Amino acid sequence: GESVGLHLPTLSVQEGDNSIINCAYSNSASDYFIWYKQESGKGPQFIIDIRSNMDKRQGQRVTVLLNKTVKHLSLQIAATQPGDSAVYFCAELIGSSARQLTFGSGTQLTVLP
Amino acid sequence: GAVVSQHPSWVICKSGTSVKIECRSLDFQATTMFWYRQFPKQSLMLMATSNEGSKATYEQGVEKDKFLINHASLTLSTLTVTSAHPEDSSFYICSARGARSDSPLHFGNGTRLTVT
Repeated sequence: GESVGLHLPTLSVQEGDNSIINCAYSNSASDYFIWYKQESGKGPQFIIDIRSNMDKRQGQRVTVLLNKTVKHLSLQIAATQPGDSAVYFCAELIGSSARQLTFGSGTQLTVLP
Repeated sequence: GAVVSQHPSWVICKSGTSVKIECRSLDFQATTMFWYRQFPKQSLMLMATSNEGSKATYEQGVEKDKFLINHASLTLSTLTVTSAHPEDSSFYICSARGARSDSPLHFGNGTRLTVT
């Protein structure tokens, strides 16, 4: 879930296991959500997105679930690999014209050998 | 390959000097560019939104006279940190998208600024 303050939530998983990263959002008007992966010293990299008229979307090894009732988003990574170690952010797109992205606090995923 | 190029990737400057960071869209026309700031172990915080040919819109708490943004062309936006101080040391990231409202947002690889 969301964290407050300077410390990122962390998640450690064994290689090959599935990972679930959670995110809560507060703006019920948000209609588009994106998961990003950020490796150390790099910019965010798009993983998968979902619109508010959907509750599930699948990509290659990744699935995003959206629960609008409780304003909750999750990212599931199947068969987690060492290369999946990174910080994962959920982001919501707000506004009809400016379409600004607001990022959640992020989760540090560490894949253990 | 990268569709948004950010330069430099890192810079070290002395306190009181100014630093310019460039953000270029490589194969599309970026009508809107966003500048973010990220402190270690924290999320990206939007600093300002710039539209080509007009003044940037700054987020609350961001000093427009300190962080000068210029978006003079459809492929280039610059962020100048003026009279930099050590507390301005951070990771600065730009993103860009095209004219359509459903255009994807592409991120640069960030610039690590260290002010000594």
